[in-house]
Amino acid sequence: KNQVEQSPQSLIILEGKNCTLQCNYTVSPFSNLRWYKQDTGRGPVSLTIMTFSENTKSNGRYTATLDADTKQSSLHITASQLSDSASYICVVSEKKSSGDKLTFGTGTRLAVRP
Amino acid sequence: DAGVIQSPRHEVTEMGQEVTLRCKPISGHNSLFWYRQTMMRGLELLIYFNNNVPIDDSGMPEDRFSAKMPNASFSTLKIQPSEPRDSAVYFCASAYTGTYTDTQYFGPGTRLTVL
Repeated sequence: KNQVEQSPQSLIILEGKNCTLQCNYTVSPFSNLRWYKQDTGRGPVSLTIMTFSENTKSNGRYTATLDADTKQSSLHITASQLSDSASYICVVSEKKSSGDKLTFGTGTRLAVRP
Repeated sequence: DAGVIQSPRHEVTEMGQEVTLRCKPISGHNSLFWYRQTMMRGLELLIYFNNNVPIDDSGMPEDRFSAKMPNASFSTLKIQPSEPRDSAVYFCASAYTGTYTDTQYFGPGTRLTVL
């Protein structure tokens, strides 16, 4: 069964600090991996989409890495800001002939404190 | 652009009642997705339309759920009859093309409470 596991479940950091969120998956065959940011009470917003051949992708202070061999991804947030407080969801696509199938992680809840 | 529009934003209903959720995708997008999010199960894809045609409805939990997309600018998700376990936030998202590698833009969601 395809699974996407995220760690930690929750994290509290001080403003200005860096942090790294983890995503391990068993989805196969792999198509792509996305990271979403979801603010409380709002819909998810796409941060990055990575395909098999991409190791690193950045979006401002957010940098995602992908190791397709070990089936791991990380999302690194640099110089955190209060507005980074949100849930971060990892979504992995399984390649199927009928179209990709998505498997969602349960998210990491990040709180940035002043 | 107004983004993906969903209505209502909040819905409270009693068990057994019919519930209809509405979505207007971003103009020009030809893919539309319905998701459900709960604390226990996280985000789940219910159904995916491309060019108004349902492509993958394997996530629809049971026959009580149905979704339609009569035209490129409107979709509905209907639950009949509703049950307390259907309580969740339902999101609609749209994308420019029919591939999952395209960025999906989510609406604000409809928070459904079934008493």
